[in-house]
Amino acid sequence: GAVVSQHPSRVICKSGTSVKIECRSLDFQATTMFWYRQFPKQSLMLMATSNEGSKATYEQGVEKDKFLINHASLTLSTLTVTSAHPEDSSFYICSAFPSGSADTQYFGPGTRLTVL
Amino acid sequence: SQQGEEDPQALSIQEGENATMNCSYKTSINNLQWYRQNSGRGLVHLILIRSNEREKHSGRLRVTLDTSKKSSSLLITASRAADTASYFCATDYTGTASKLTFGTGTRLQVTL
Repeated sequence: GAVVSQHPSRVICKSGTSVKIECRSLDFQATTMFWYRQFPKQSLMLMATSNEGSKATYEQGVEKDKFLINHASLTLSTLTVTSAHPEDSSFYICSAFPSGSADTQYFGPGTRLTVL
Repeated sequence: SQQGEEDPQALSIQEGENATMNCSYKTSINNLQWYRQNSGRGLVHLILIRSNEREKHSGRLRVTLDTSKKSSSLLITASRAADTASYFCATDYTGTASKLTFGTGTRLQVTL
C-alpha cells in the first residue's frame, strides 16, 4: 500500500523558535496533501490544503503566517510552525492524495510537537 | 462547524463481544470513511463507503450508511484486545475537493 512518512516523529523546542515538519509520499506522487492538528483526546482538525506548485489553502481560523506550508515537489510538503508557543504543542498529521486518485488519501504517522 | 458526532464517546467491552460505534454528519457527502488510531500514533484506514452504498464488509468490520438519516455505524465483531484504539469517522463532503471532516471519535477498550 501507499506509504507516507513524517519527519521528525517528535520534536521539543523552546518558545519563540520555528519548527519544520516534513511530509513525504514514499511510493507515489501527490498533487495534494493535507495538514491536520490533533489535541490530546480530541479529533483531527484540518488546518490547510497543500497544493504542489501553488499556495496552500488555509481553513478558517488558521493563521497562514504562523503555519507556513510549502509543497515544492510532488512527494514533499513541509509545515513550518513559526515563533512557536506552548499552545502550539500538538500532534500534527499530514495526509497525501495520490495524483489521479478519486477518494483515497494516506496518512502519515504524525509528529508530536512540544513547545516549552 | 461541519464536524460530525460519534457515539458513544467511550466504549468498554470484553474480548469476544461485538462493538458498535455510530457517526452522524451534517450535509451531503461523497463518501464516509472509518479510521483507527492507536494512542499517540497515526491513522489506519479501515473502510470507505460511498454515498450510493448502504453496507460494506471487510473482515470483522461491517459498516452501514443511511444517507436519509445522515448516519453511519461501524460494527466490529468478535473483538480482540488488539482492537483497543480510538475510532473516527471522516466525511468527504460534496463540493469540498476531498477534504475530510473527522468526527469526535469513540475510544474503544477491549479487555481480556
